[in-house]
Amino acid sequence: DTAVSQTPKYLVTQMGNDKSIKCEQNLGHDTMYWYKQDSKKFLKIMFSYNNKELIINETVPNRFSPKSPDKAHLNLHINSLELGDSAVYFCASSLAPFRTDTQYFGPGTRLTVL
Amino acid sequence: GENVEQHPSTLSVQEGDSAVIKCTYSDSASNYFPWYKQELGKGPQLIIDIRSNVGEKKDQRIAVTLNKTAKHFSLHITETQPEDSAVYFCAASPFNNAGNMLTFGGGTRLMVKP
Repeated sequence: DTAVSQTPKYLVTQMGNDKSIKCEQNLGHDTMYWYKQDSKKFLKIMFSYNNKELIINETVPNRFSPKSPDKAHLNLHINSLELGDSAVYFCASSLAPFRTDTQYFGPGTRLTVL
Repeated sequence: GENVEQHPSTLSVQEGDSAVIKCTYSDSASNYFPWYKQELGKGPQLIIDIRSNVGEKKDQRIAVTLNKTAKHFSLHITETQPEDSAVYFCAASPFNNAGNMLTFGGGTRLMVKP
């Protein structure tokens, strides 16, 4: 069973479009994250959610809106896509917030904006 | 905020040799230091971590050392094998009310030549 899954794996779209990436974890974790990995492999946190509530927002443009329908899901919606949004987006989860627990990463979604 | 620097950015070793990757961090409040391995087309996977109350930790061919005074930590892989080839990331996390926020180093591409 996949612990943290993301769909789609690849996403190619035009500038200005709106797109969503879905993430699900079956680990029973309370905390979920979105990370962005740029073309130079640099990994940076975007958001952290605990039990459906936002706890970290690392100065991400408000075109990015995470949504957590329940604690097992954290989706990322991106409005008005720009060329600079092209990257690999990783979802991750950990047991609880405010603790240094292991973070488990999904396989990533490669977003290409043309 | 925390800043993590990682060296070298690329490392090529012969199979059976040892590999060492070094990281420095800036925030003295950081107390959790995981290492992740990312294979091509996959998400990062935790391989070992260390907390600030210990100076060294080993797991078979992998070891991590931490020097809190100097704010640096290192990953040591002995008897390298071709399947160790991947990108390795160090990270640091402070225990504070901002949640479990990992700051990653820039990554090291390790190539093990058979």
